[in-house]
This record gives sequence, C-alpha cells and structure tokens, in this order.
Amino acid sequence: GAVVSQHPSRVICKSGTSVKIECRSLDFQATTMFWYRQFPKQSLMLMATSNEGSKATYEQGVEKDKFLINHASLTLSTLTVTSAHPEDSSFYICSASPAGGLAYEQYFGPGTRLTVT
Amino acid sequence: AQSVTQLGSHVSVSEGALVLLRCNYSSSVPPYLFWYVQYPNQGLQLLLKYTTGATLVKGINGFEAEFKKSETSFHLTKPSAHMSDAAEYFCAVRRGGSQGNLIFGKGTKLSVKP
Repeated sequence: GAVVSQHPSRVICKSGTSVKIECRSLDFQATTMFWYRQFPKQSLMLMATSNEGSKATYEQGVEKDKFLINHASLTLSTLTVTSAHPEDSSFYICSASPAGGLAYEQYFGPGTRLTVT
Repeated sequence: AQSVTQLGSHVSVSEGALVLLRCNYSSSVPPYLFWYVQYPNQGLQLLLKYTTGATLVKGINGFEAEFKKSETSFHLTKPSAHMSDAAEYFCAVRRGGSQGNLIFGKGTKLSVKP
C-alpha cells in the first residue's frame, strides 16, 4: 500500500520549452502533496506544498510563475516547469500525505530526472 | 527553527560489520525524526521514524535508531551490513507548524565492501 508514482521518469527537453511532471497516489487519497528538488549528491530541497483544491505554498526563493503546481484531485498533482533552462536540470521528487493522516507521513515517488539542453 | 546535521557524507564498512550513521537535530518543537534510504535514481523509502513513546525505534531491513534527547541525536544502526545496504541515507526532522514538512540532512552515502 501507499504507492506514489511519477511520470515521466526521465525527460529531456530543449531550452525554452515547458515540461509537465505528474505525481499520483495510486492506492490512497492525498490531501497534501510535496514537491522536492534534488541536485546531484545533495539533499532534498522542498519547493512547494500543495493542498487539493487550493493554491500551492512555495518555499522562499522558488519562483511560483516558473514552477506551476496544480493539485486538482486527491490523487494527482502536477508540476510544470515553464520556459525551462539548463539550470533547471535536476531530479524532481514528489511525496504525498494520506488524507486523514498526519502531514509528516509522506510517501515518496520514484522521482523524475529532467535534463534541459 | 529545525535543522538536521548528518556527520560524515560517506561511510564505508565491510560486509558483516556494524553500520552507524550519525544524525543530530535541532528543533523548537517536540521532534519527530525520520530515516530514509535512497537507491540510485529512485525516490525515498522510509526506514523508520520516531514520534513519541519508546526511544529505541526498529525499522525495516534490520535497521534501528535511538532517540537521545539529551544528546539531540538520532543515530541509525544495523548490527551486520549487507551488500544490499549500499545506498544514500537521509535523516529528517519534522518542521514545526501545521504543514508538517520535513527538513532533510545532506545525506550519508553508505558503501559496503565485500
């Protein structure tokens, strides 16, 4: 139980294009989903917290117009990297907290490797 | 504010030897502490967590950790390392406040020598 999927697992795009990453909770409903970014050999940095049906809360320094987050249902959140540039290349990981559970109970997706050329 | 410090970015042990990965935390609220493991190009898997109650916490794959408030530590141990334990390990603390976000340490890469 408590499986989170991400799609795609890898994506290569050209500079200036937009990329959408999906995060799905497969066997539970998630009122809260989190998006992290991980640089090579570094820790996870929280980008934003999204609650179903409301606007995402972005961490300081994260551009909300560049990293668009939508949490339209209890099982799906999307991260869109708009006008991607090479510096946006990174490993993006989402996590989800079960509805009715504790916010710190997070189940992580397998991650999406984004490469911008 | 909450923070996590993992001592040693890289730990190498022989197969069968004791594994000890160190984590110290600071927290302005009662700490909820976590250890996660990450295999290459994968997401994080929860090994164990401490919220309240017993300070010695047992997790999956034979790992355990002990919460020591006086030392603000939550070190991860395993009596006998297996080759399959080679991975990156992250300690995390709950961020105070209603969101309950996690703050991660920088990670410790564990290598296991045959």
